[in-house]
Amino acid sequence: QKEVEQNSGPLSVPEGAIASLNCTYSDRGSQSFFWYRQYSGKSPELIMSIYSNGDKEDGRFTAQLNKASQYVSLLIRDSQPSDSATYLCAVYVLYMDSNYQLIWGAGTKLIIKP
Amino acid sequence: DAEITQSPRHKITETGRQVTLACHQTWNHNNMFWYRQDLGHGLRLIHYSYGVHDTNKGEVSDGYSVSRSNTEDLPLTLESAASSQTSVYFCASKHGQDMAGELFFGEGSRLTVL
Repeated sequence: QKEVEQNSGPLSVPEGAIASLNCTYSDRGSQSFFWYRQYSGKSPELIMSIYSNGDKEDGRFTAQLNKASQYVSLLIRDSQPSDSATYLCAVYVLYMDSNYQLIWGAGTKLIIKP
Repeated sequence: DAEITQSPRHKITETGRQVTLACHQTWNHNNMFWYRQDLGHGLRLIHYSYGVHDTNKGEVSDGYSVSRSNTEDLPLTLESAASSQTSVYFCASKHGQDMAGELFFGEGSRLTVL
């Protein structure tokens, strides 16, 4: 069973601090990794994608990938109350029909305290 | 603007009834997906389609069916609803079959089976 694991939280972070979200995956062959944000009662929306080892920065968001250790993380700098949401990690794995499909973690709930 | 819409947004039904959830996208995407989201679980793939008349089973397909008669629509049918199918259902679409690119989600359909 190919899995994506996340700490369910909630993770509570003071406003202005760095929020660090982690995700581990089981399929060593995975090549594509995504972070989606989901506000309560809403649908997921893409925040970051990362395909190579190392860091990828986009504004206040940085995705970090370590394929050898099979983890991907998301850092949110200068956290704002509007960042309070559930963050979903998703990883492409080779699926039953020899195509690739996304496997999703259960999400980490992030709370930014003003 | 292109979009993906689901209906109904909320549905209450009884055990054993047939239910159909509609999904309509104007992105002109070939690839469409149905997921269910339950507390403590990541998004789980029910069915997916790579084009007209193409349908494939996902991880949790038992009790569900889909049909794809045009590019825009992928309705999800529960043949005989069960209480275990109480969930939030998301339809999504994507441009290509590769391991890159964003999944675009509908607003979700909350189904309660009594």
